[in-house]
Amino acid sequence: EAGVTQFPSHSVIEKGQTVTLRCDPISGHDNLYWYRRVMGKEIKFLLHFVKESKQDESGMPNNRFLAERTGGTYSTLKVQPAELEDSGVYFCASSQDEGYGYTFGSGTRLTVV
Amino acid sequence: EDQVTQSPEALRLQEGESSSLNCSYTVSGLRGLFWYRQDPGKGPEFLFTLYSAGEEKEKERLKATLTKKESFLHITAPKPEDSATYLCAVQDALGGSQGNLIFGKGTKLSVKP
Repeated sequence: EAGVTQFPSHSVIEKGQTVTLRCDPISGHDNLYWYRRVMGKEIKFLLHFVKESKQDESGMPNNRFLAERTGGTYSTLKVQPAELEDSGVYFCASSQDEGYGYTFGSGTRLTVV
Repeated sequence: EDQVTQSPEALRLQEGESSSLNCSYTVSGLRGLFWYRQDPGKGPEFLFTLYSAGEEKEKERLKATLTKKESFLHITAPKPEDSATYLCAVQDALGGSQGNLIFGKGTKLSVKP
């Protein structure tokens, strides 16, 4: 079984630019989550999809972040325009059933300069 | 407010020297407590889920236990390959975002040969 795939693995962009992160969950997993870890802090929840619908986006920091999950398959997280404080590692996770051990991807390390 | 505190922040052990990691939590109602292992440059790797006080789970040299306020991850006779950051996370059964994981900052374990 293929795991959760994220790309790019690293991205360095300038303040004000746009970046799009992609996550391919495990096939058949309806639940897809985005989390973020900024330096020195704990991993924090961003949002949760069930199939193509946003179940919970209470963790999204502001309206510069836009997440989509077309057709209930892969998901993208766009940051536009990026700010310095957006730097961190963005993790995607998926699960078949909500509330059970998620499988995480390796993350995308975003650096905004 | 839901909160997870892990201690110590870092732990250095000699190979074979057993020890324990602590995870203290505050939630409205515990849906589940999760332990993950994270290696550098990788995403969190699922280890255990505990659901109720008194529950214990084991995997190789690791044993996780749960009380109403904290969880311990006991490491027996560790080996250098056990070196990693160990993350604790909880799900709140009564909060608004029931699918989300609330993480602690982790304990970085180093095992020297």
